[in-house]
Amino acid sequence: DAGVIQSPRHEVTEMGQEVTLRCKPISGHNSLFWYRQTMMRGLELLIYFNNNVPIDDSGMPEDRFSAKMPNASFSTLKIQPSEPRDSAVYFCASSLRNNQPQHFGDGTRLSIL
Amino acid sequence: GIQVEQSPPDLILQEGANSTLRCNFSDSVNNLQWFHQNPWGQLINLFYIPSGTKQNGRLSATTVATERYSLLYISSSQTTDSGVYFCASNDYKLSFGAGTTVTVRA
Repeated sequence: DAGVIQSPRHEVTEMGQEVTLRCKPISGHNSLFWYRQTMMRGLELLIYFNNNVPIDDSGMPEDRFSAKMPNASFSTLKIQPSEPRDSAVYFCASSLRNNQPQHFGDGTRLSIL
Repeated sequence: GIQVEQSPPDLILQEGANSTLRCNFSDSVNNLQWFHQNPWGQLINLFYIPSGTKQNGRLSATTVATERYSLLYISSSQTTDSGVYFCASNDYKLSFGAGTTVTVRA
């Protein structure tokens, strides 16, 4: 079975540019999560979707960040405008349903210059 | 949210050695996961273990939910076990510990 698929794997862009990260969850999973990993803050949840509906976005750092899940097989995390402090590894994870094991994609390593 | 403390922060092992990693929680947890982040940055599921003991090859885990801790055992360690081990409480969102960095030397 295919796991969680994220794209791109690496992204390098200049400050001020729009960045879009993409995620395809495991088929049949109805919960999707976006996490960010930095040296300073470790792994932290940004937003959680259940059945394509955002349930908890309290971890989204500021209005420059937005996330969508237009259907059960696709989600995006967008940063506009991007800033150097947004540089991090962004992970997408999915689970069959709430409180079930979460499975992570390989992450997107984002560098904002 | 739940606070997760992992110990030790770093562990250096000689190949073939056994080790125990610990995870303490500030409150009772309904679910718990252990992950291995390999040197390439991938987060690999090891165990989903809200309570009891599970084994998978050379790895095993025990969670005592009533006492708010979980243990991960690595036996006969190999160089491929190197990386960072995370535990996370799963109350719909994962609250991660800071991790234990394991280095296995040949």
